[in-house]
Amino acid sequence: AQSVTQLGSHVSVSEGALVLLRCNYSSSVPPYLFWYVQYPNQGLQLLLKYTSAATLVKGINGFEAEFKKSETSFHLTKPSAHMSDAAEYFCAVSKGGATNKLIFGTGTLLAVQP
Amino acid sequence: NAGVTQTPKFQVLKTGQSMTLQCAQDMNHEYMSWYRQDPGMGLRLIHYSVGAGITDQGEVPNGYNVSRSTTEDFPLRLLSAAPSQTSVYFCASSIGDSSGRSDTQYFGPGTRLTVL
Repeated sequence: AQSVTQLGSHVSVSEGALVLLRCNYSSSVPPYLFWYVQYPNQGLQLLLKYTSAATLVKGINGFEAEFKKSETSFHLTKPSAHMSDAAEYFCAVSKGGATNKLIFGTGTLLAVQP
Repeated sequence: NAGVTQTPKFQVLKTGQSMTLQCAQDMNHEYMSWYRQDPGMGLRLIHYSVGAGITDQGEVPNGYNVSRSTTEDFPLRLLSAAPSQTSVYFCASSIGDSSGRSDTQYFGPGTRLTVL
């Protein structure tokens, strides 16, 4: 069975500081992993996804994530936070099978302080 | 190209009432899904469909029905609303490749439902 754990429900950084949002997964099959962002009162937007090609995945808005099989992790990073990055971030794993079901983590709310 | 649209944006129901949340996509996607989002719990899959006429249950299907008569539409029906169904509901769609596991899901803007 697949599952995702996001460490830290709230993360606060200063503008210009490194952003690190943690995600660990559990999967009995090679995982496909996703990071989504949700701005207030909006739907979810894909930031990036890992589909077993390169382990370092670059996404939109300067975000990237590295798949580390040995650590079962898929942490999201951005070198320099911007005020516009304030949002909730969700890590997700695609459940096994051909039906494209996502198992989401509980989310991390990122606050960016001026 | 509107993407995934959902109506209504907001809805208040009384316990026991029924209603249908509408979802439509204009991207000719085969796969469509319904999720609910609750504070501290992320999104949980309610029902999904891999094509017209085919639906299946997700993690939390109780109290909800779906049907998929066309590729474009995937309505979610609440049979007898309960306060526990107060949530934000998101519809999503994806292309549906040969494995279905790596597709990007595109989400609608959500419907905020309150059951009194």
